[in-house]
Parts: sequence; structure tokens; C-alpha cells
Amino acid sequence: AQRVTQPEKLLSVFKGAPVELKCNYSYSGSPELFWYVQYSRQRLQLLLRHISRESIKGFTADLNKGETSFHLKKPFAQEEDSAMYYCALEAGGTSYGKLTFGQGTILTVHP
Amino acid sequence: GAVVSQHPSRVICKSGTSVKIECRSLDFQATTMFWYRQFPKQSLMLMATSNEGSKATYEQGVEKDKFLINHASLTLSTLTVTSAHPEDSSFYICSAINQGRKETQYFGPGTRLLVL
Repeated sequence: AQRVTQPEKLLSVFKGAPVELKCNYSYSGSPELFWYVQYSRQRLQLLLRHISRESIKGFTADLNKGETSFHLKKPFAQEEDSAMYYCALEAGGTSYGKLTFGQGTILTVHP
Repeated sequence: GAVVSQHPSRVICKSGTSVKIECRSLDFQATTMFWYRQFPKQSLMLMATSNEGSKATYEQGVEKDKFLINHASLTLSTLTVTSAHPEDSSFYICSAINQGRKETQYFGPGTRLLVL
């Protein structure tokens, strides 16, 4: 069975500082990895997925199969980035669309 | 963008009663919807996959007779918690895959269930 681990429950940085939210996974196959974000009092929404290799709101994430990691990075954090971030894995095949979520990391960006 | 709604947003019920939660895709057709459960300060756990016109598939450890799922149309899936007990109190979230854009999954705002 697949598993997603986000080791940090809480992460605090100051505005303008770099931020990295860690995500590690375990899965024997070739996974699809996602980052979802939940702003205060809002629903979960997709931030980015590894297959599209996009940069959304300045965030990037690189899938490292050797380290089984998919860390989320942003060089200069903004106050509006404060939110809950979830890393998620989709196993694919018959598991199409089924997401396994990490525990989530609450990011707080201080002014 | 695509929107998924849930109704009700919160519900309080007595132990032993049944509660129905609706999940609707408002501006797209969803052949597949998913139901998640989230305990306080914990992650989302997939409960079941709801497929339009066919039986839902449940994840291991989820009681299908307790959590009845019906996906009668391409825009509506319902989750019924039968004979609810206090331990069923949780946050239930649905998501839907846009049939036309299969890689995109949209989440509902969630339903807070409190069983007294």
C-alpha cells in the first residue's frame, strides 16, 4: 500500500524567506504526485501536479524518485501563502483518481 | 472554474438516526466522485469511490452497509450514514472528476457531522 509522509505539522517563516515543505512517499509503482492547498475557511484546491511541471504562485515541486520525495518550494514566501498544504499520491491504474494524502503542513508566513 | 457543492454544510443528529449528505457538480459532469473523511487535525482518508450508474467501491475497513453511497446521475452522489453513532462524527468531503478533463479533481467544501 502507498503512503505519504509530511514530517512537519507546522512551519513558520518570515515574508521574503525561502520555504520548503517536505513530502516523502512510499509506493512500489510509478506514482503521480500532487500538492493541494487549503486556505482559511476555503475548500481544498489543487496547487500543482508533478506531471505538468508548472510553477503556480511561485511554488515548484520536483519528483525525486531516488529519494522518493516531492518537496514543495518557494524562493520568497508571501503572507498570502499561509495555509494548510497537503501532499497527495495517486497510484494510477485501477486506482485512478484515488488520492492518498499526507498529514498536512500548516504554513504560517509572518510579516 | 468547476464547482462542487455539498449539502448540508453541517448537521447535528441523534444517535441511531440516518443522515444523508449530497455532493453535486454544479457546472460539469462527473462520472466519478470520491468520498473522504477527515478527523480533527488529521488527514483526509478515502472512504469510497462513487461511479455513476454502478455500485460504489469501498476502501478497506469502511463498512458499506453503514455508509451507503448512491451516484444516480452525472452530477449527484449521496452519502448516507445509517444508524449514526457518536464515533461517526467527522468532516466528510467529496470530490469529483470532470469527465471532460479527466486529470482535474475538484473538492467540495465538506460537511461537518456531529452525532449526539
